[in-house]
Amino acid sequence: NAGVTQTPKFRILKIGQSMTLQCAQDMNHNYMYWYRQDPGMGLKLIYYSVGAGITDKGEVPNGYNVSRSTTEDFPLRLELAAPSQTSVYFCASSHPGPPYNEQFFGPGTRLTVL
Amino acid sequence: EDKVVQSPLSLVVHEGDTVTLNCSYEVTNFRSLLWYKQEKKAPTFLFMLTSSGIEKKSGRLSSILDKKELFSILNITATQTGDSAVYLCAVDRVYNAGNMLTFGGGTRLMVKP
Repeated sequence: NAGVTQTPKFRILKIGQSMTLQCAQDMNHNYMYWYRQDPGMGLKLIYYSVGAGITDKGEVPNGYNVSRSTTEDFPLRLELAAPSQTSVYFCASSHPGPPYNEQFFGPGTRLTVL
Repeated sequence: EDKVVQSPLSLVVHEGDTVTLNCSYEVTNFRSLLWYKQEKKAPTFLFMLTSSGIEKKSGRLSSILDKKELFSILNITATQTGDSAVYLCAVDRVYNAGNMLTFGGGTRLMVKP
């Protein structure tokens, strides 16, 4: 199993550009999440999904959108990139049942907006 | 407002020392508390704690949860340079249709030879 994969690993955007961060998992997990981690900080939840077709906002959803058309994929869309979105983005997945919510993380995407 | 606070922010020790990392929390709908180790990439899972007073151990690492006082500690004995990392505490709680992790800011541990 590849686990949770993310592409790209690095990206530099100009202010106002858009992009999609890709995330895929092959563990048949229902739950998937997007976090951002700013330097020296913990992770903050952007969006999450409890299954295909179901998404909901987390703590910091502004400036982002998601979709979940399949169990495996959970892309994160940035529209009109801003310098405040410079961060490392982690995708994660988990099985909803016990043990409670051990989340498996992807390797991250480092995004810089200039 | 839900919050998870870790202390200290950073710590520098020498190999062989014992360290204690702290995590306090105030969240609604608590389900469990998790510890992660983060080196240069993604966080990797260490422990999940759901009940007070039951110590979880894995080699030189151990952790315990106090649900009455709302805190957890992570102990690392006989530290090694490979223990250098950021240690993240996260609380799993019920959130809307699912559940979510609220993370603390992390403790950065540096172990010198």
